Amino acid sequence: QSALTQPASVSGSPGQSITISCTGTSSDVGGYNYVSWYQQHPGKAPKVMIYDVSNRPSGVSNRFSGSKSGNTASLTISGLQAEDEADYYCSSYSSSTTGRYVFGTGTKVTVL
Amino acid sequence: QVSLKESGPALVKPTQTLTLTCSFSGFSLNTNGMRVSWIRQPPGKALEWLARIDWDEDKFYSTSLKTRLTISKDTSKNQVVLTMTNMDPVDTATYYCARAISGTYFDDWGQGTLVTISS
Repeated sequence: QSALTQPASVSGSPGQSITISCTGTSSDVGGYNYVSWYQQHPGKAPKVMIYDVSNRPSGVSNRFSGSKSGNTASLTISGLQAEDEADYYCSSYSSSTTGRYVFGTGTKVTVL
Repeated sequence: QVSLKESGPALVKPTQTLTLTCSFSGFSLNTNGMRVSWIRQPPGKALEWLARIDWDEDKFYSTSLKTRLTISKDTSKNQVVLTMTNMDPVDTATYYCARAISGTYFDDWGQGTLVTISS
């Protein structure tokens, strides 16, 4: 199953902004406005942070924002905080032969 | 309040069949538009979507695992069951069930259950 491509790691200092990219194809990221982002702390279940490219669920900090251009989606975390240190996964609805959904390879965010 | 919880064996032998149950509360799979998926995560690796069942009994599977997976629901018990046949050590993972109201993202997740495949 072909996963969406994310950088393995991104780091930043408290207060800074970081951006995580998520690259797919025209069959997933580029073909639908159905990209979502999940935060996962060690030993915990994933939690949705962004859905449908740029929407934030109730309760998620407005420091998290999402966007998309072509086959690449992005998650930006502004005003980085220690609690943001976690793994982040993107996901997209897909029309490819791999199945209905595809996840990204995951990005470890480190707060320096 | 929405809650999901996975249950099943922690240890399965190679070639055996795995049966996992997702018990949920706070919503009904009889509700128009409601969907539940199974997703797994091998230790230290990325998430992988496995299967989805919808309120209207539609079912979808990962193409690479389709021949091994069966998803079903028991709306009277508020449960979704996933069976996976011919288990292999590479199937060792934490298995999650997750709700998807719109079908475009997973809005609530269970805590996950770790399944180890070993003889």
